[in-house]
Amino acid sequence: AQSVTQLDSQVPVFEEAPVELRCNYSSSVSVYLFWYVQYPNQGLQLLLKYLSGSTLVKGINGFEAEFNKSQTSFHLRKPSVHISDTAEYFCAVSRSPGSARQLTFGSGTQLTVLP
Amino acid sequence: NAGVTQTPKFQVLKTGQSMTLQCAQDMNHEYMSWYRQDPGMGLRLIHYSVGAGITDQGEVPNGYNVSRSTTEDFPLRLLSAAPSQTSVYFCASSYSWGAGYEQYFGPGTRLTVT
Repeated sequence: AQSVTQLDSQVPVFEEAPVELRCNYSSSVSVYLFWYVQYPNQGLQLLLKYLSGSTLVKGINGFEAEFNKSQTSFHLRKPSVHISDTAEYFCAVSRSPGSARQLTFGSGTQLTVLP
Repeated sequence: NAGVTQTPKFQVLKTGQSMTLQCAQDMNHEYMSWYRQDPGMGLRLIHYSVGAGITDQGEVPNGYNVSRSTTEDFPLRLLSAAPSQTSVYFCASSYSWGAGYEQYFGPGTRLTVT
């Protein structure tokens, strides 16, 4: 079985400050890792994904995440946030070689960017 | 492309009523799925389909039925609504069922059961 823990349910941060949203997973096998963003009243949109290769993954809107196998983490970072980044962010994991039907989501982190 | 569309956007049902949530995609995707989103719980998979005529259960299938008669459509049926089914429902699709393929989500249906 696999699980995902997002350590912070709410993260307030001032505009232009850096942010890190934390995600830890547990799995007995290799995994694929994802970050999704959900803007208010919308569906989820893929920010970035780690399948294999370089452990530093760059995504859309200036976000990046680093896969750390020893710490079983996949934290999301952005060096300078904007008001428009206010949204809920979900970390998700799937087993490798994996299947979309095995995608497990974390409980989400609400990022609020303050002016 | 319209992507993934869902109707209705909002719905209020009384306990015991039945209804169908519609989902359609115009990207010729093989894989389609239904999730429910509840506060503090992320998204949980209800049912999924890997192609027309093929469906299977996800993590929380009880109280829901699905069918996939065409590639484009994947309706979700609530047989006898219960207050515990109050949730936001998302339909998603991807080119294939492999985890490496991006899932595209619809805008959601907010369902309240009284």
